[in-house]
Amino acid sequence: QENLVQSGAEMKKPGASVKVSCQASGYTFTNHYMHWVRQAPGQGLEWMGIIHASGGSTSYAQRLQGRVTMTRDTSTSTVYMELSGLRLEDTAVYYCAREEVGGRGAFDIWGQGTQVTVSS
Amino acid sequence: EIVLVQSPATLSVSPGERATLSCRASQSFSGNLAWYQQNPGQAPRLLIYSASTRATGIPARFSGSGSGTEFTLTISSLQSEDFAVYYCQQYNGWPPYTFGQGTKLEIK
Repeated sequence: QENLVQSGAEMKKPGASVKVSCQASGYTFTNHYMHWVRQAPGQGLEWMGIIHASGGSTSYAQRLQGRVTMTRDTSTSTVYMELSGLRLEDTAVYYCAREEVGGRGAFDIWGQGTQVTVSS
Repeated sequence: EIVLVQSPATLSVSPGERATLSCRASQSFSGNLAWYQQNPGQAPRLLIYSASTRATGIPARFSGSGSGTEFTLTISSLQSEDFAVYYCQQYNGWPPYTFGQGTKLEIK
């Protein structure tokens, strides 16, 4: 069964960094692009960036440029999202999502979400 | 960057009735538009991609239409489990991908 499993909740202080993992199973990891999407409390979905699971190329949302880094480990079928210089407004649930094959840009499988709380 | 605006922000409909949700883009694009459903405390679920194609396992009461800048999600006969928040999302060949701000579908 195709599945994405994310790491557990994190609590960080302002200025710190957080690294969230997302492990894929049940499909060929390198055939897909992977995305990160976040959702602040009571808010909508915000696209953060994309990583090609095979080649590792990335593209990030402009407002997060310089603070976000996405990487992958093909040996464990895992993608990572690291966000540095955390601010209170980075408090959110962070999701990884798989882009379906076919180039149509839809996210067909989602992780369960990781709560990241930034608090002093 | 393409901006998506969803309307209405909240839609109140009775079970068994039809719901129509709108998503308007700031510029015309390829039509790679998806719709997602999100229940409280859960991850979003893909309903529709390429504007009108239902994802695997999605009931036929969900349908998508539109092109250019105007897109619509229609739920033909609302079931209790359909009351949720719905998001549209676009992909125009390269990042950034963007989401609309969401429509909350509530029981009337």
